[in-house]
Formats: sequence, structure tokens, C-alpha cells
Amino acid sequence: NAGVTQTPKFRVLKTGQSMTLLCAQDMNHEYMYWYRQDPGMGLRLIHYSVGEGTTAKGEVPDGYNVSRLKKQNFLLGLESAAPSQTSVYFCASTNRRLAGGTDTQYFGPGTRLTVL
Amino acid sequence: KQEVTQIPAALSVPEGENLVLNCSFTDSAIYNLQWFRQDPGKGLTSLLLIQSSQREQTSGRLNASLDKSSGRSTLYIAASQPGDSATYLCAVITGGSEKLVFGKGTKLTVNP
Repeated sequence: NAGVTQTPKFRVLKTGQSMTLLCAQDMNHEYMYWYRQDPGMGLRLIHYSVGEGTTAKGEVPDGYNVSRLKKQNFLLGLESAAPSQTSVYFCASTNRRLAGGTDTQYFGPGTRLTVL
Repeated sequence: KQEVTQIPAALSVPEGENLVLNCSFTDSAIYNLQWFRQDPGKGLTSLLLIQSSQREQTSGRLNASLDKSSGRSTLYIAASQPGDSATYLCAVITGGSEKLVFGKGTKLTVNP
């Protein structure tokens, strides 16, 4: 099992450019999450999904969109990048205990994004 | 709104010392609490998960305890090693929520 993978690992954008971050998991997890991690701010939830075809807003959703067309993939889009979106982005997945899982969240290695 | 606090923000100890990391949360109606480890430039790795009905969990040299009524959890690391150097994060899911709320972490350095 590869676990949770993220593409790309690094990216530099100019203000106003768009991009999509891809998260993939091979553990058949229902729940998937996108976080951003910034110095002094900790990990903050951007968007999440509780199953294929569903998405929901987290703590800091503005400026981001997501899609979950396939159960194994969760895409995070930036339509018009801003310097404030410079961050490290992490994807995570889990199956909830009430659904037969363990509740443990498995994280990807992260994408380091710089917006100039 | 659930808030998670970890004190201290950084801790430096000599190798072999037993140590305790602290985590506190404001809303005691949690579903579970998880401890994670993060190495520099890496993602998070789950260490221990304690369900709300449990008091502690153990894995090797690690022991995590949970006191819901006081809103506190501790992570005990026995016989620390330089390889334990990392940032340790605590996170909770509040009952009825789908979302983990993280503390800002404790950066641990174990000196040889």
C-alpha cells in the first residue's frame, strides 16, 4: 500500500495563477481532508469529504475549491493564487470507527506551495 | 468552539530521560483524541488514538492518558532517544463533528 500520496511535492506560482493539488489514497477510506500548515498557526482544515461526490467547508475554505469525483482521489484547487496561500498543504484520510474503521487519520507527505 | 493547547511549545531533554507532553482542550465532549508525530519536512504520523470511553493507550515506550472531565491529555515517553526528536501534535474530534482540531505542537529535542 502506498497510503496517502500527494502531487506535486513542490510548486511555485505567480499571483493570479491557478493550480490543482491531487491527493490519492489506496486504503478505501471514505473520509478525506485538506489542511494547510503555517508557522505559528498550526494545522487548519480547508475542506473535507465524507464520501465520493461529497464536499464540505472547513475552517479556512475561502480561495479554495475541492472535488471528490472518485473515492480514492480528493482534489484541491486554487483558482487565483494569492501570496497568503503560500503554505504547506497536507491531505489526510480515514475510515470512522462507527463505519468499521479505526478513526486514525493517515497523512500524505505534503505539498509545499509558494505564491510570489 | 473547540480549542486545543499544547504546552510547552518546545522542550529539550538529555537522552534517557522520561518526559511528559501536555495537551488541553476546552470542550470536554470529545469523540476521541489523537497524538501525532511530525518530522521536519514530513507529514504527520499517528502515534496513539484514545477513544472518549478510554483512559489510556500504550505503544512501546509511549503512553497516552486522557482525562475528559478536566480537558487534559498527556503523552509520556519513556527512556527518550535522539530519534524521538520531532514535533508532537495533539488533536481532538468533538462529538457530532467530522473534523479534527489540532494543537500547535510541542517541538521535542533529545540530546545525545
